[in-house]
Amino acid sequence: AQSVTQLDSQVPVFEEAPVELRCNYSSSVSVYLFWYVQYPNQGLQLLLKYLSGSTLVESINGFEAEFNKSQTSFHLRKPSVHISDTAEYFCAVSVHTDKLIFGTGTRLQVFP
Amino acid sequence: GAVVSQHPSRVICKSGTSVKIECRSLDFQATTMFWYRQFPKQSLMLMATSNEGSKATYEQGVEKDKFLINHASLTLSTLTVTSAHPEDSSFYICSASPGQGRYNEQFFGPGTRLTVL
Repeated sequence: AQSVTQLDSQVPVFEEAPVELRCNYSSSVSVYLFWYVQYPNQGLQLLLKYLSGSTLVESINGFEAEFNKSQTSFHLRKPSVHISDTAEYFCAVSVHTDKLIFGTGTRLQVFP
Repeated sequence: GAVVSQHPSRVICKSGTSVKIECRSLDFQATTMFWYRQFPKQSLMLMATSNEGSKATYEQGVEKDKFLINHASLTLSTLTVTSAHPEDSSFYICSASPGQGRYNEQFFGPGTRLTVL
């Protein structure tokens, strides 16, 4: 069985500071990895995904995540955050199927 | 592209009544649709997976007679919460997958907030 751990339930940060949201997973087989963002009272939006190939994946709004197989991690980073990045971020894994397994989420709060 | 809608976005009902939530894929055919439930400040929990024209597969602990799922067409799935009670109050989110290729990306709807009084 697969599982996802997001150790930080909340991450407060000042605007223009760098941020890292941690995600670790457990699986005995190869996985696909995802980061989703959820703004208040909205559904999930795919931020970025790792399927294969380059271990560093980037989103269009400056976020990036690196797949580290040895550490079973897929941490999300951004070098300079904006107020508009305030949201809930979910890490998820999938194993060659449609089924997504989500972590418990990290609330990113960006302060001016 | 790949837009999924849900209706209604918000519903309030009395205890004991049934509520139907619709999930539509607007610009693609969804071979598979998923229903999730999200409690406040918690993660999404998969309730069931439905394929067009066949019975839904429910996750362990989800009452299939309580949460009726119908996937009648390639663009529409419905979730009916029967005899709703206050503990059914939650945020329900659907997703849809075109089901092509080895990796089948899910596209999420905006969610429906159900409040049972």
